[in-house]
Amino acid sequence: RKEVEQDPGPFNVPEGATVAFNCTYSNSASQSFFWYRQDCRKEPKLLMSVYSSGNEDGRFTAQLNRASQYISLLIRDSKLSDSATYLCVVPPSGGSYIPTFGRGTSLIVHP
Amino acid sequence: DAGVIQSPRHEVTEMGQEVTLRCKPISGHNSLFWYRQTMMRGLELLIYFNNNVPIDDSGMPEDRFSAKMPNASFSTLKIQPSEPRDSAVYFCASSFSATAFQELFFGEGSRLTVL
Repeated sequence: RKEVEQDPGPFNVPEGATVAFNCTYSNSASQSFFWYRQDCRKEPKLLMSVYSSGNEDGRFTAQLNRASQYISLLIRDSKLSDSATYLCVVPPSGGSYIPTFGRGTSLIVHP
Repeated sequence: DAGVIQSPRHEVTEMGQEVTLRCKPISGHNSLFWYRQTMMRGLELLIYFNNNVPIDDSGMPEDRFSAKMPNASFSTLKIQPSEPRDSAVYFCASSFSATAFQELFFGEGSRLTVL
């Protein structure tokens, strides 16, 4: 299994829909995770952190399934402005400070 | 507060020319990362500095690429000679890393086109 794997998509959904995508990771020692958002031709920016208890921020919910080694991002009531690429980030381990970025999942929200 | 500042934002050059990309990390951050992003390969780590010292440069493609961090507020990524396959967006990111990984803050990137 690759260190971090994401379905590249695109996920094409109508406004108001609920959409979810997963990210699988291989390092079972990883403790916390992150979702970054990257708009077209822009830099990645932190969206949410994900800990064992999960995290919710408005319409966005991130969950961690440690047994199956994946994290998920759920977006409710999708907005046009949610269209972006969502990158999963697994923190470093073994004394390293280098995180691993997934390739990203593309989301397109249409009217 | 100013974020990570990169220059130039756009660079178009001809094959064989030298390219220098610059980065000013966020003040107080002690870790600096250079990434390259293409459609085909996604976001690739090129090199990582901690306290101005290169810690991991295993992602640097080949000898044509070099990076320096002479002080805590400045880093450069140099490509000499440049080739068309170097065309990509180059991001610099910084963080404060003490005992655990912290959020990475990215600059707006330098879009390089090599003709």
